[in-house]
Amino acid sequence: QQQVKQSPQSLIVQKGGIPIINCAYENTAFDYFPWYQQFPGKGPALLIAIRPDVSEKKEGRFTISFNKSAKQFSLHIMDSQPGDSATYFCAATREGGATNKLIFGTGTLLAVQP
Amino acid sequence: DAGVTQSPTHLIKTRGQQVTLRCSPKSGHDTVSWYQQALGQGPQFIFQYYEEEERQRGNFPDRFSGHQFPNYSSELNVNALLLGDSALYLCASSSRGGNQPQHFGDGTRLSIL
Repeated sequence: QQQVKQSPQSLIVQKGGIPIINCAYENTAFDYFPWYQQFPGKGPALLIAIRPDVSEKKEGRFTISFNKSAKQFSLHIMDSQPGDSATYFCAATREGGATNKLIFGTGTLLAVQP
Repeated sequence: DAGVTQSPTHLIKTRGQQVTLRCSPKSGHDTVSWYQQALGQGPQFIFQYYEEEERQRGNFPDRFSGHQFPNYSSELNVNALLLGDSALYLCASSSRGGNQPQHFGDGTRLSIL
């Protein structure tokens, strides 16, 4: 029940395309769902996050879609650029829990070709 | 405003040795969490420190221990190193006892020979 399943493992899109990364969770107690972006040699950087009281959140070119009944959420990157090439991780946590530890997906390696 | 800083950046040890990794949280943050990220995997929660106490531990053996100082900085200690301990060790900080969001440092790359 603690797992977060992420797909696809890797993704190649052309510049301007809209890559979509999907995640699914089992634990219905999770109530905070962030996405992190990680470049080689760097730590994960918070990109955008959503709570289950909304179905969609947009920040710049990044959009999270959230389906509470299906226990799924996804990241869309609009007008993708070569600089978006990185590994993306979804995560989940229970904010009211003892530690708010993050449970991460396995990551998606995105390559945006010029 | 400095973010989360970790030291050292890289470290090479041999099996059986002990290692200490250090983390300074982002200004204004009082909670530090440690994660282990194996190559090609997502980070795995090790433990979290708040008010100088370990609040919860992930599925890691007692060889992994930590400490938090009054200035909120933290150390991760690993004893009796195994080859499988080779990973990127990430520190994340947050405020008010762990409320989101968590901000990560760039990690310490630990290699065990």
